[in-house]
Amino acid sequence: GAGVSQTPSNKVTEKGKYVELRCDPISGHTALYWYRQSLGQGPEFLIYFQGTGAADDSGLPNDRFFAVRPEGSVSTLKIQRTERGDSAVYLCASSLSVPVRNTEAFFGQGTRLTVV
Amino acid sequence: GNSVTQMEGPVTLSEEAFLTINCTYTATGYPSLFWYVQYPGEGLQLLLKATKADDKGSNKGFEATYRKETTSFHLEKGSVQVSDSAVYFCALREDSNYQLIWGAGTKLIIKP
Repeated sequence: GAGVSQTPSNKVTEKGKYVELRCDPISGHTALYWYRQSLGQGPEFLIYFQGTGAADDSGLPNDRFFAVRPEGSVSTLKIQRTERGDSAVYLCASSLSVPVRNTEAFFGQGTRLTVV
Repeated sequence: GNSVTQMEGPVTLSEEAFLTINCTYTATGYPSLFWYVQYPGEGLQLLLKATKADDKGSNKGFEATYRKETTSFHLEKGSVQVSDSAVYFCALREDSNYQLIWGAGTKLIIKP
């Protein structure tokens, strides 16, 4: 596709349930990032993939969060036993390669997750 | 650690007014600096960037100059339009890193 695509655009789930959020990056982009944006705040880094491997998952808040990118393209962010505090907009971005000074990251529209 | 501080919003202006949104940063090295914009219902879009001191980024009438001496990257536009209404985010990225560090965002409202 022309841009980064995230599905679903909105997800409402009950506390304790499991959710999966999908990101389809721009074709050919090897680097993929997940960020989380809480209301009134800037995005916070969660995890970065280079190809199929998670190069840095230091931003994942706890072990309920996990992300995969098995074929080096589409990525899925998985959240187990969701809590109300997980409610946020989850953003995915991709870039052509490992970022250097002139590399631009392109963002999807995000998935708004609401845990009730 | 690295951080970005933006002026709080919302900022409300009349059409054709002059805009400044302040952004200051702290960083251990020599980061690249970015302004992103988020229009209602849309994703984050890169507005402009600067990769070294004294560089000026510009796009769509917006400008920002990388000021190392004041660790600032203020966003300016000479004459705003209603269509500029959006949330603006200042961000930095260290050379040795790939994470974007973000400010909290500034909501801009332009009234006709």
